[in-house]
Amino acid sequence: DIQLTQSPSFLSASVGDRVTITCRASQGISSYLAWYQQKPGKAPNLLIYAASTLQTGVPSRFSGSGSGTEFTLTISTLQPEDFATYYCQQLNSYPITFGQGTRLEIK
Amino acid sequence: QVQLVESGGGVVQPGRSLRLSCAASGFTFSTYGMHWVRQAPGKGLEWVAFIWHDGRNKYYADSVKGRFTIARDNSKNTLYLQMNSLRVNDTAVYYCARVPAAGGIVEGDYWGQGTLVTVSS
Repeated sequence: DIQLTQSPSFLSASVGDRVTITCRASQGISSYLAWYQQKPGKAPNLLIYAASTLQTGVPSRFSGSGSGTEFTLTISTLQPEDFATYYCQQLNSYPITFGQGTRLEIK
Repeated sequence: QVQLVESGGGVVQPGRSLRLSCAASGFTFSTYGMHWVRQAPGKGLEWVAFIWHDGRNKYYADSVKGRFTIARDNSKNTLYLQMNSLRVNDTAVYYCARVPAAGGIVEGDYWGQGTLVTVSS
């Protein structure tokens, strides 16, 4: 199975900051990676697919990059509504796997 | 608009069975693949199963293989998850999610609100 490791697991930041979350795969997955945002008590919301394609309706302050084994999710200017947990997901092969999550909290 | 509504969760004893449903509306259900994904209380996301648009291909996580069965009734616009031999560690919120394709390995673009399954004696 492909393991995904996110770093950091916890991130404290302020409104207006630029933040980057990293997702590393245990083997190459080309660009078969998605990013989700999840708020407490809510379903995940798709942000990015194919490593760098912004899902329709997602603000342009979110961006994704990477291929192979290392990927990043960047939020250029943090807004109050961005404080949530973020997950990466690999779609290279079954079983589909998720990273353990990165919790982004207000400093 | 796309809507997915899960139901069928509840409290069940270990070893018993439960069937979850996911009612779909707002899109042509029969042309999209569907996932089940779960989340144990306070934990991360875990993929459970996937079914192609026509039901011919199904995939499962090792943790549920042989115990859970994913199915769909395209005439009723409904996705199912039959869960047998339930274990305490199957306790989770179960989400259904649509993929923007008929099959393959694709991310979920629309998700339901989830239904809670609690396995406890």
